[in-house]
Amino acid sequence: DQQVKQNSPSLSVQEGRISILNCDYTNSMFDYFLWYKKYPAEGPTFLISISSIKDKNEDGRFTVFLNKSAKHLSLHIVPSQPGDSAVYFCAAISTGANSKLTFGKGITLSVRP
Amino acid sequence: KAGVTQTPRYLIKTRGQQVTLSCSPISGHRSVSWYQQTPGQGLQFLFEYFSETQRNKGNFPGRFSGRQFSNSRSEMNVSTLELGDSALYLCASSPQTSGGAGVLDTQYFGPGTRLTVL
Repeated sequence: DQQVKQNSPSLSVQEGRISILNCDYTNSMFDYFLWYKKYPAEGPTFLISISSIKDKNEDGRFTVFLNKSAKHLSLHIVPSQPGDSAVYFCAAISTGANSKLTFGKGITLSVRP
Repeated sequence: KAGVTQTPRYLIKTRGQQVTLSCSPISGHRSVSWYQQTPGQGLQFLFEYFSETQRNKGNFPGRFSGRQFSNSRSEMNVSTLELGDSALYLCASSPQTSGGAGVLDTQYFGPGTRLTVL
């Protein structure tokens, strides 16, 4: 059972435009969410996170929105740059004891020059 | 500060063999987690070690095991390899302290070991 779902396997966006990457989750116990970016031949790197007590977190060009009622979060990248082309993983966790990060399958973002 | 290192980077084995992968966390990090990444399943959590103890475990068969040493370095072992074990195995270290497995600190990933089972 996939508790964190990234239903779109890929996204292609023109440079300078907005990229919106979506993520849905099913476990209502999740209370902390993270986005990771992964380039080929490298491990994932942390991008941005959001706690369930917030509905938005912004860091430079990256903004994550959380809609708890819909169990949905999205990552907005504005403006998109060719260097943003990578695989993006959404992850979630319930911050209690013995909790572990649950990842989605990832979305491949391609930013066209 | 040096990042998370994993050795070897690439490995080819045949079915039935066993394999040991190594992970050296960032200096001072005591938590090490292992993940398996495959195209069909994405990133899946294998287990987490903290202070030489397995603190958390994912839904993988007993063929997958691990351990952590006193210097926080960790090894992962897969016995009786199957074709489906071909994957990228990622290790991540975290500076989180003891007292529960709530991972609010971000994890720092290594580059991974690409295992191919023939």
